[in-house]
Amino acid sequence: GQNIDQPTEMTATEGAIVQINCTYQTSGFNGLFWYQQHAGEAPTFLSYNVLDGLEEKGRFSSFLSRSKGYSYLLLKELQMKDSASYLCAVRSGGGATNKLIFGTGTLLAVQP
Amino acid sequence: DAGVIQSPRHEVTEMGQEVTLRCKPISGHNSLFWYRQTMMRGLELLIYFNNNVPIDDSGMPEDRFSAKMPNASFSTLKIQPSEPRDSAVYFCASSLVGGAYEQYFGPGTRLTVT
Repeated sequence: GQNIDQPTEMTATEGAIVQINCTYQTSGFNGLFWYQQHAGEAPTFLSYNVLDGLEEKGRFSSFLSRSKGYSYLLLKELQMKDSASYLCAVRSGGGATNKLIFGTGTLLAVQP
Repeated sequence: DAGVIQSPRHEVTEMGQEVTLRCKPISGHNSLFWYRQTMMRGLELLIYFNNNVPIDDSGMPEDRFSAKMPNASFSTLKIQPSEPRDSAVYFCASSLVGGAYEQYFGPGTRLTVT
């Protein structure tokens, strides 16, 4: 079966660092994506990992461990505008298969 | 450049009526996806196309749902007859074929079936 787990909600303080975890069990693995979704808007792409390790992109970083079925998204120097839902998605097929399976998302509230 | 375009943005209809949602992908993209998002079930893939050909429709809930992609720049998702449990936000997304390419989402259609 396919299963992706994320915490439902998190709260953090402006200026702080927050780590959002994602664990997955899928019938195959061929990449992991993180998306951000503000309330009432469409998801937008944040990061992509296919190899183990850390990918850094400005204030956002994403980590992947394939052997553990685990990823996290790290947000530094939090801003109020980072309040949003963060979706973890796994691509389980190969070749031209670009179907993604999404987790239910983690709703992050950034407080002053 | 225009992103993914969806219409209508909002649709309110009565149970039993036919609903047609429309999507124009980003020019040059050859994969198109239809998703449904609800609070209870999150973001679910309904169907996706590569080069206008349906590849995986395992997420289509039942025969009341159908999707077409007659050409590279247009796709429709039809629900007939609609039911209250179909109320959700329906997103269309497009990308290039290949796993490393991110999907770009349209603004969504908020469907309410009364």
